[in-house]
Amino acid sequence: LAKTTQPISMDSYEGQEVNITCSHNNIATNDYITWYQQFPSQGPRFIIQGYKTKVTNEVASLFIPADRKSSTLSLPRVSLSDTAVYYCLVGDGALSGSARQLTFGSGTQLTVLP
Amino acid sequence: DVKVTQSSRYLVKRTGEKVFLECVQDMDHENMFWYRQDPGLGLRLIYFSYDVKMKEKGDIPEGYSVSREKKERFSLILESASTNQTSMYLCASSPKGRQGPNGYTFGSGTRLTVV
Repeated sequence: LAKTTQPISMDSYEGQEVNITCSHNNIATNDYITWYQQFPSQGPRFIIQGYKTKVTNEVASLFIPADRKSSTLSLPRVSLSDTAVYYCLVGDGALSGSARQLTFGSGTQLTVLP
Repeated sequence: DVKVTQSSRYLVKRTGEKVFLECVQDMDHENMFWYRQDPGLGLRLIYFSYDVKMKEKGDIPEGYSVSREKKERFSLILESASTNQTSMYLCASSPKGRQGPNGYTFGSGTRLTVV
């Protein structure tokens, strides 16, 4: 199971672009990269998912280099409400027999300051 | 709006009690999961199920069991609650196969305190 490494915490100011990088050196061919956001006392919420190159949706962009050993979540013009824990997950989520599941690390605590 | 519903937001139980945490999803997902979340440890997988009546152990199954009699419902059972099971419990579901277009959908969590 591909393990991920991401910074424990980051601070930013309102209106800035925030980039959170995740390392996943032993990512497998079938693995996707997924980012979740979690507010206190709530379950994680899906933000974005990608396999390679760049993916963009209304919330964020995900940049994945050709070797796929890392990925960067980019949040444009953050606001105070973006203060949350962000998790990077790697896996294909396929279920067959003893296949293991997605593993959440400790995530990155993003604090947006006024 | 599709969702995963956990029956209780907050629960206080006594040591030794049998505790049931219920989770229901309305997305017709095949896969369902139970995680617990503790400060500094992230989310840890307890059990998961990929079909009715099917279950598999996650990373920390000790002290827990699960039941999946219907596709939409996945129950976590603490056979004899202990104080070290005080935690936030999160249920999630996902469609069959890969993570699906939106990955996992989580419930809002149940904060269980065992006294």
